[in-house]
Amino acid sequence: GAVVSQHPSRVICKSGTSVKIECRSLDFQATTMFWYRQFPKQSLMLMATSNEGSKATYEQGVEKDKFLINHASLTLSTLTVTSAHPEDSSFYICSARVPGTGIQETQYFGPGTRLLVL
Amino acid sequence: GENVEQHPSTLSVQEGDSAVIKCTYSDSASNYFPWYKQELGKRPQLIIDIRSNVGEKKDQRIAVTLNKTAKHFSLHITETQPEDSAVYFCAASLRGGGNKLTFGTGTQLKVEL
Repeated sequence: GAVVSQHPSRVICKSGTSVKIECRSLDFQATTMFWYRQFPKQSLMLMATSNEGSKATYEQGVEKDKFLINHASLTLSTLTVTSAHPEDSSFYICSARVPGTGIQETQYFGPGTRLLVL
Repeated sequence: GENVEQHPSTLSVQEGDSAVIKCTYSDSASNYFPWYKQELGKRPQLIIDIRSNVGEKKDQRIAVTLNKTAKHFSLHITETQPEDSAVYFCAASLRGGGNKLTFGTGTQLKVEL
């Protein structure tokens, strides 16, 4: 099946610093990737849609200047949490859409990155 | 936008029994409905999905049914095993909406010995 990786798997940083998270599709090219945030015992909330070669589309309420997304190649999207604060501590998960012949295309998720801001 | 409700939030069954999780969606234009299983601290894994042109789909012990008129879909797990214990999420995707998934609130399934 399709494999999506994320790096790092966990990161601890000081308040005010920036953290970059990478999402890679390992065995397929992904023109679209999605970034989610998941707080403990809650559902996945879509933050933004990352499109290769163009600007990301952010969901309502998500600050684009705080959560910078870059999708420079067909296999890599990055999420940078700028000036992180304790309330940004969460589980960040990316997914990639597998190109297919159907109208809807299956999404496969990365293993997630657990961010702890002290 | 799309809104997906999921019930129950927790479900406890005895090993070997069946488990049913139900979801409703709000937007009649949604046409893709995947189910994900997430173990603690792990990634969501797709276990089954259904498209709006199909009413039912089955894969071994797992089945999904879709009622487009009522806008609800259900996950059925038969002969449950302890390794089925996890959080299950339903989701809906809107045609023309960039294929964005809207997730339900999740169901914590516990299969007891």
